[in-house]
Amino acid sequence: GENVEQHPSTLSVQEGDSAVIKCTYSDSASNYFPWYKQELGKRPQLIIDIRSNVGEKKDQRIAVTLNKTAKHFSLHITETQPEDSAVYFCAASIGRGGADGLTFGKGTHLIIQP
Amino acid sequence: DSGVTQTPKHLITATGQRVTLRCSPRSGDLSVYWYQQSLDQGLQFLIQYYNGEERAKGNILERFSAQQFPDLHSELNLSSLELGDSALYFCASTDSLHAAGELFFGEGSRLTVL
Repeated sequence: GENVEQHPSTLSVQEGDSAVIKCTYSDSASNYFPWYKQELGKRPQLIIDIRSNVGEKKDQRIAVTLNKTAKHFSLHITETQPEDSAVYFCAASIGRGGADGLTFGKGTHLIIQP
Repeated sequence: DSGVTQTPKHLITATGQRVTLRCSPRSGDLSVYWYQQSLDQGLQFLIQYYNGEERAKGNILERFSAQQFPDLHSELNLSSLELGDSALYFCASTDSLHAAGELFFGEGSRLTVL
């Protein structure tokens, strides 16, 4: 099955700086790559996603890039703010043929230092 | 509010016992996923149901089982509980068979096994 590796496990950045979280996946058939944000004690929520026919996608301060050849994708957060502090999970899905689950990375705890 | 309802929110029980966690998906969603979240393991996919049928299985133990009823709510049954089963159990729903779009998570059921 799919295996998703996520790095780093903890990332501390100064407020206003950029943060980058990287993920690799194992199954070349995966074609859907979402990112979820989980604030302390709350449920995971989708913040951005990208499909395999696109190399980059932006939504205000967040962007995701995908390199299918290398099988890795990254989340970029610019001008970080205190409310960006949370655990971020990347995920990958084959999303075709038979049904499948969404395989998540182990998460990155992003800490925004004031 | 995601529209996904999970009960109970908290559950404390003893080793060897059996518990049932319940999930009501968003109105109109046919697909229900169950995930286990432990401190060091991120979000582990357990099982997926679509319109009453099991469609995908992840790392679900034989002591665990699930079902989806005609009204589309789902239950996750955990038996012969062990200390290591203590975790946050999330249910998520989506309107499609494939995990190729946003999953809407419930608030989770926190299970503590003593």
